[in-house]
Amino acid sequence: NAGVTQTPKFRVLKTGQSMTLLCAQDMNHEYMYWYRQDPGMGLRLIHYSVGEGTTAKGEVPDGYNVSRLKKQNFLLGLESAAPSQTSVYFCATRQGSALGETQYFGPGTRLLVL
Amino acid sequence: DQQVKQNSPSLSVQEGRISILNCDYTNSMFDYFLWYKKYPAEGPTFLISISSIKDKNEDGRFTVFLNKSAKHLSLHIVPSQPGDSAVYFCAARRSGAGSYQLTFGKGTKLSVIP
Repeated sequence: NAGVTQTPKFRVLKTGQSMTLLCAQDMNHEYMYWYRQDPGMGLRLIHYSVGEGTTAKGEVPDGYNVSRLKKQNFLLGLESAAPSQTSVYFCATRQGSALGETQYFGPGTRLLVL
Repeated sequence: DQQVKQNSPSLSVQEGRISILNCDYTNSMFDYFLWYKKYPAEGPTFLISISSIKDKNEDGRFTVFLNKSAKHLSLHIVPSQPGDSAVYFCAARRSGAGSYQLTFGKGTKLSVIP
């Protein structure tokens, strides 16, 4: 039972390059989230999904796209990376709306955009 | 507009003493509060939570107090241990629409000195 896993753990990109971050969960949770954490900024929500095939924007969605084609996976895409997207990215999951409030986080992906 | 505020970026406490971490919020629609703990290079992990219908919740060495009239909550750790050294995030959930999102504070770094 791996919980929430994130791939890759670390990546260096050049400005303008694209990449996809993968989040996978084996807890059968309905909700999934992508956050970014920057020094002194706490955790800010980028996008989230309340079920397979659904996505919605969070607090800081610009420059990112997401997809939830399968319930267990939530992908975060950067089409044209910018230095401002240098951050640590965390995926989180949660059970359905009435089943629990707690979000469970993955170990994070550290992204450096040069 | 920062709706969840952790005004102390850092806190140092002697081992065995009490650690008190504070959190203030501005949105009266918040009805559920959580504390997360984060070690370096790891994802946040859930610590303890409290519903707005309660004023205290205890779990072992950890107690969360909620003062709704003051829009203030605090996390007490007694006795503090070196392993408690981490960044602590306060998070809040809004009732009704948007209840699947959490709003995080910027975190407080706790250092427990042996």
